[in-house]
Amino acid sequence: TQLLEQSPQFLSIQEGENLTVYCNSSSVFSSLQWYRQEPGEGPVLLVTVVTGGEVKKLKRLTFQFGDARKDSSLHITAAQPGDTGLYLCAGAPDSNYQLIWGAGTKLIIKP
Amino acid sequence: DTAVSQTPKYLVTQMGNDKSIKCEQNLGHDTMYWYKQDSKKFLKIMFSYNNKELIINETVPNRFSPKSPDKAHLNLHINSLELGDSAVYFCASSQAHSLYNSPLHFGNGTRLTVT
Repeated sequence: TQLLEQSPQFLSIQEGENLTVYCNSSSVFSSLQWYRQEPGEGPVLLVTVVTGGEVKKLKRLTFQFGDARKDSSLHITAAQPGDTGLYLCAGAPDSNYQLIWGAGTKLIIKP
Repeated sequence: DTAVSQTPKYLVTQMGNDKSIKCEQNLGHDTMYWYKQDSKKFLKIMFSYNNKELIINETVPNRFSPKSPDKAHLNLHINSLELGDSAVYFCASSQAHSLYNSPLHFGNGTRLTVT
């Protein structure tokens, strides 16, 4: 069974600080997606990374896919209260027909 | 202009009842899904349909029966509701069955509470 371990599970920091969320697996993924979910809403896609070593930036968010395509990280610079939410990673295995989900990171940014 | 819409938003019902949740997507996607999100926020896939054909049927009690009248709709019917069925149920769609570069678009969820 493929697993995607996401850490930390919970993070509460002050506005302006930096943070990193990790998703790790022993399995190889053909791609990895990051979603953000706000209360009362469904997850919304932030980015998809598909190439080993790929780095994508979305304003203050930087996403990286590991060289071996087994892990990924999300780094937020100068966090803002608007970044508060549940961050989920999801890997598409080589079979491609069912996403493997991390357990999520609940992020709270205090003003 | 809602891309994936599901109704109702909230559903409170008693044990033993039968209920349905409806989902529609206007994105022209071929694949639709039902997910269950538990109290710890873990997302677990229940079913996946591709062009009205059942593709994924995870270990879900047969009290749960999906129905896809056309590729834009995927409804979920639940018989004999139990306390453990309380959760948030999400409908989602993707352009293609292959998830390599075809992300999911989620509805806003249905919070089911069984009393």
